[in-house]
Amino acid sequence: DGGITQSPKYLFRKEGQNVTLSCEQNLNHDAMYWYRQDPGQGLRLIYYSQIVNDFQKGDIAEGYSVSREKKESFPLTVTSAQKNPTAFYLCASSIALGTSAYEQYFGPGTRLTVT
Amino acid sequence: GESVGLHLPTLSVQEGDNSIINCAYSNSASDYFIWYKQESGKGPQFIIDIRSNMDKRQGQRVTVLLNKTVKHLSLQIAATQPGDSAVYFCAEATGGFKTIFGAGTRLFVKA
Repeated sequence: DGGITQSPKYLFRKEGQNVTLSCEQNLNHDAMYWYRQDPGQGLRLIYYSQIVNDFQKGDIAEGYSVSREKKESFPLTVTSAQKNPTAFYLCASSIALGTSAYEQYFGPGTRLTVT
Repeated sequence: GESVGLHLPTLSVQEGDNSIINCAYSNSASDYFIWYKQESGKGPQFIIDIRSNMDKRQGQRVTVLLNKTVKHLSLQIAATQPGDSAVYFCAEATGGFKTIFGAGTRLFVKA
């Protein structure tokens, strides 16, 4: 089955620790995205990548880092600098930027809890 | 600034009735609008989209209406079923990747 996988589904960390969230897609999509979702709010863009070895900051990139070494993979690291890391994190992909990018395919999400 | 909002945070409908979920947007330059459905604990799923040069678009049991005069978007679901229970997001996009999501409306379907 083609799609996007995120792992793990639930993640618990102690404050001050960095943590990396996995995102893999086998849809052959060029563009990939990371969003953060908080209760009662819409999705907010953290980072996006148009192509391998290239990525751009979104609206709330502070305290996060990404890499795009392979087309299929776009891991997100939540660093200790992120002040409120507890949230639901969603990874998405799309065919390419431009109008085709509007239809984004989302993974199942990772719920991160930092205590 | 740019914002996409929803008129109602929750909507409760009887099974078999039609549902209407509303959304307001503020960026008149947005050229593409999308509705997503998010079930509990899952990622959003694309439902239907509409370009700014259209007023209406129909899919299977869903219709999206766009009123650019008042910057209003709506999603109509015909013959609502229990499986339609979810959070529905509207989103607007302008030029490429930039998609702004609303806060969402939770739809409850009563059997």
